[in-house]
Amino acid sequence: ETGVTQTPRHLVMGMTNKKSLKCEQHLGHNAMYWYKQSAKKPLELMFVYSLEERVENNSVPSRFSPECPNSSHLFLHLHTLQPEDSALYLCASSPTSNRDGLLFFGSGTQLSVL
Amino acid sequence: KQEVTQIPAALSVPEGENLVLNCSFTDSAIYNLQWFRQDPGKGLTSLLLIQSSQREQTSGRLNASLDKSSGRSTLYIAASQPGDSATYLCAVSNQAGTALIFGKGTTLSVSS
Repeated sequence: ETGVTQTPRHLVMGMTNKKSLKCEQHLGHNAMYWYKQSAKKPLELMFVYSLEERVENNSVPSRFSPECPNSSHLFLHLHTLQPEDSALYLCASSPTSNRDGLLFFGSGTQLSVL
Repeated sequence: KQEVTQIPAALSVPEGENLVLNCSFTDSAIYNLQWFRQDPGKGLTSLLLIQSSQREQTSGRLNASLDKSSGRSTLYIAASQPGDSATYLCAVSNQAGTALIFGKGTTLSVSS
């Protein structure tokens, strides 16, 4: 098992669909993150969870809804997305959510919104 | 607001060359700086992490330096190989919070 696993690897959805991205970490870490990577733009932090509690939400539209049922799993629920939401969505984990910054990333979900 | 800039955006070199990737940041009050590698369509792999009190870190053929006062970091890759072809991202962690702030990356292509 790799450290951080994301499913699905690719997702194509219409603007009216509802879908969920899944992330699982096998590293025993306490913090998990969602990042968005759009073409030609830096990675953008979306959400931070520490011990299943959301500690950071960077002004992300409500059509993105995170869920962290336990310290090993993180979901990103998607509904009524826009074409500009097409991007690579990366999950990461770290031992803690403090400023150490040592992140372990999954391979990402490439999302296309039609 | 912290901003991270990476120059050049893309770089092509023949195999065997030594090369330098540059990263600059606007606010020198950082906690640490990290260099990542990203292969196409994949996640990021951390290469080197430099704490703000450190000047450099080395791992194999990679050497990263940090000059906080001037807001600069460099990633030196010795004897480049085709397998080094990837996008290299620089990210800083500031004093105020947990978020890493990323640059847009430098896409490196090493030809055999």
